[in-house]
Amino acid sequence: EDQVTQSPEALRLQEGESSSLNCSYTVSGLRGLFWYRQDPGKGPEFLFTLYSAGEEKEKERLKATLTKKESFLHITAPKPEDSATYLCAVQAKPNAGGTSYGKLTFGQGTILTVHP
Amino acid sequence: GAVVSQHPSRVICKSGTSVKIECRSLDFQATTMFWYRQFPKQSLMLMATSNEGSKATYEQGVEKDKFLINHASLTLSTLTVTSAHPEDSSFYICSATDRAYTGELFFGEGSRLTVL
Repeated sequence: EDQVTQSPEALRLQEGESSSLNCSYTVSGLRGLFWYRQDPGKGPEFLFTLYSAGEEKEKERLKATLTKKESFLHITAPKPEDSATYLCAVQAKPNAGGTSYGKLTFGQGTILTVHP
Repeated sequence: GAVVSQHPSRVICKSGTSVKIECRSLDFQATTMFWYRQFPKQSLMLMATSNEGSKATYEQGVEKDKFLINHASLTLSTLTVTSAHPEDSSFYICSATDRAYTGELFFGEGSRLTVL
């Protein structure tokens, strides 16, 4: 069974204080690892997809990296508007003959609060 | 990025009534749509996968007779919560992917159901 564990559960930072969020996973053949941002009462907003160990992607103050067992979301010099819940999800390769494209297994999320 | 729209964003109903939630892909053809449920401060749990023109595939533990899913066209999927009870109160979110499967999975804004 695919599993995703995110840490810490909650993270409080001062504006400008860089940090990292962790996502550990076990999956029967990784097709992709996804990072999303979710604001209260909203659906998840897509940030990144990573496909293979060693891959890195950046978007503004965010940088996502991937190894064979975990992914990190680095936040550089965060601002209060970066406050949100960050979700990590994995997608397994479909079974032989299967059509299970798109099914994601989510972690419980990290609640990030950035204080001015 | 592609847009997925959900309606209604909030709905309050009496116990025993049925509620329908719509999920539309606005600028792409969604061959596959997914329905998730999210309880407060918890992560997203996949309920079912629907492919256009075929019956939905439900995850273990999800009652298919209570949560009716229809995916009659390439741009619309509906989730009907039948004979709703207070324990069905939750945040329901859909996501969609297209034929090309670019690797990005787009989520709707979510629908908050409150059953009195």
